[in-house]
Amino acid sequence: DMKVTQMPRYLIKRMGENVLLECGQDMSHETMYWYRQDPGLGLQLIYISYDVDSNSEGDIPKGYRVSRKKREHFSLILDSAKTNQTSVYFCASTGDINQDTQYFGPGTRLLVL
Amino acid sequence: GEQVEQRPPHLSVREGDSAIIICTYTDSATAYFSWYKQEAGAGLQLLMSVLSNVDRKEEQGLTVLLNKKDKRLSLNLTAAHPGDSAVYFCAVSNTGNYKYVFGAGTRLKVIA
Repeated sequence: DMKVTQMPRYLIKRMGENVLLECGQDMSHETMYWYRQDPGLGLQLIYISYDVDSNSEGDIPKGYRVSRKKREHFSLILDSAKTNQTSVYFCASTGDINQDTQYFGPGTRLLVL
Repeated sequence: GEQVEQRPPHLSVREGDSAIIICTYTDSATAYFSWYKQEAGAGLQLLMSVLSNVDRKEEQGLTVLLNKKDKRLSLNLTAAHPGDSAVYFCAVSNTGNYKYVFGAGTRLKVIA
């Protein structure tokens, strides 16, 4: 069963706290992504990972960092969260053969107070 | 870099009517084109994808047209039904870089 999971699904943090968002996939996909989704802006790419310890900035990396120590796990870290990082965060993965298909997780809704 | 414009932002149609969503892109090297559906509170679900060598693809009541000359991608939902109500996104990518650029989305409402 091809699946991307995200934890937690909902999270409330105070400004300045650290945030860890986790993503997992069971398809052995090399490439994984973190996006944020804000009303009227579609999805914006934060980071892309091409494999373990092979990460690259996306379009809006400022204020975020990522970690990929195993192919099936990709973490997004917010060190000292800011209120403008309130958003819905999506993880996705894609394989080499079907680059045209991304598989998305259900999203994490983050509120930074 | 690649720019993608999607229109309309909101679309309301009656059950049984067609719904057409259009995306325009700027980079002629774009090679992968996808349409996704997002239902309330959920992630994006792939509807259909085409490569740049395909002009038209039909599957289960959906038609994707690709006009490379005009850099235009369209999604046509023929005979829409209330279950099609959702937000739809186009996404495009160049060959080999695995980076996708998404449209801003179209919120479709199908009225019974």
